[in-house]
Amino acid sequence: KAGVTQTPRYLIKTRGQQVTLSCSPISGHRSVSWYQQTPGQGLQFLFEYFSETQRNKGNFPGRFSGRQFSNSRSEMNVSTLELGDSALYLCASSSGTPFGAFFGQGTRLTVV
Amino acid sequence: SQQGEEDPQALSIQEGENATMNCSYKTSINNLQWYRQNSGRGLVHLILIRSNEREKHSGRLRVTLDTSKKSSSLLITASRAADTASYFCATDPSFLQPSYAGGTSYGKLTFGQGTILTVHP
Repeated sequence: KAGVTQTPRYLIKTRGQQVTLSCSPISGHRSVSWYQQTPGQGLQFLFEYFSETQRNKGNFPGRFSGRQFSNSRSEMNVSTLELGDSALYLCASSSGTPFGAFFGQGTRLTVV
Repeated sequence: SQQGEEDPQALSIQEGENATMNCSYKTSINNLQWYRQNSGRGLVHLILIRSNEREKHSGRLRVTLDTSKKSSSLLITASRAADTASYFCATDPSFLQPSYAGGTSYGKLTFGQGTILTVHP
């Protein structure tokens, strides 16, 4: 099976712009979660989608949003980018087995 | 916010030695998982231990869980240079559901700050 695929791998944006990140989960996985990783805050949960519905949400401002399509692919959008949004954004998919969550390689977002 | 602390923050050992990392958490959990991350890349799932289990083994990995103390430890035996990475514990508070109903999705994991392990050849 192909792993979790995130695109793009690297992104440079300017403050105030918006950005959309994409995640293709492992085939058959219906749950997709997003995490933000920064040196200061570590790994923080953003939100989780299951069957096109947001099932869990972390403590992030409304500028961070996401969606999931019928094929389980997910997108994450950040509007009005701030310097502090620079981070590695990780997507994970799972199927509820004892094998945990499968993570993609991440999208490295730099806001300048 | 982070669920808890990981100890130590950094660990440097020689190949062949054992490495022990500890994790503490704050709230009730359904299961606890350990992940490895190489150089800011994606995380790789290592092992999962459920709240009703006390110890689990997988190859050179041994995980213990003490729910009364809200703590877990990861032991890597006979370490190799390739084990050099950051190791994170992650807690999952969700209740198990039948997989056909979506299962416990591991979709809202709370991670510790991680331990940076360096294994010298």
